[in-house]
Amino acid sequence: GEDVEQSLFLSVREGDSSVINCTYTDSSSTYLYWYKQEPGAGLQLLTYIFSNMDMKQDQRLTVLLNKKDKHLSLRIADTQTGDSAIYFCAESPSSGNTGKLIFGQGTTLQVKP
Amino acid sequence: NAGVTQTPKFQVLKTGQSMTLQCAQDMNHEYMSWYRQDPGMGLRLIHYSVGAGITDQGEVPNGYNVSRSTTEDFPLRLLSAAPSQTSVYFCASTDIVNEKLFFGSGTQLSVL
Repeated sequence: GEDVEQSLFLSVREGDSSVINCTYTDSSSTYLYWYKQEPGAGLQLLTYIFSNMDMKQDQRLTVLLNKKDKHLSLRIADTQTGDSAIYFCAESPSSGNTGKLIFGQGTTLQVKP
Repeated sequence: NAGVTQTPKFQVLKTGQSMTLQCAQDMNHEYMSWYRQDPGMGLRLIHYSVGAGITDQGEVPNGYNVSRSTTEDFPLRLLSAAPSQTSVYFCASTDIVNEKLFFGSGTQLSVL
């Protein structure tokens, strides 16, 4: 079945770049998403990429999609302490999104001053 | 614009008690869904709805009921709470044009 995998933890120093990786199984996914969850809060959509794109850039965020390897990454440039959060990768299954995203386990990003 | 509103934010139940988690959205979205979040497991889909009067099961539906009498509201019911239902619950509504989910702020539930 569909599955999304992420590493659980990443630690970087303030000012460095962060790269969070994700692999997925459904090659027919329409959209792939990155959500951010700050402590005690709900999930906030950070960015998303349509499956026919290779890259999307939005200010400090760069999303790279390798469809051949089913690999998605999120790069955060000039990482700040406010970027400390849990980041979730999610895919929209080929059966069509009726609110049925498949989420990874989440990557906790720790930014050290 | 309130978006997706969940109540309560925190709840403690005893095993066997029942309760309803409320969810309301003001974006006129047809699609709504409930997820639970457990450490190291991401979010798992409990139930979802594609419109008023229509609901279906997700990945982990056992122990939960839903109904959708209006477009705005999608309550989640626990008929007989169990400790395994201790979790953080998120309601979401979907903008089907670009398939974006909007989440509520969550309900932290503890079952003792």
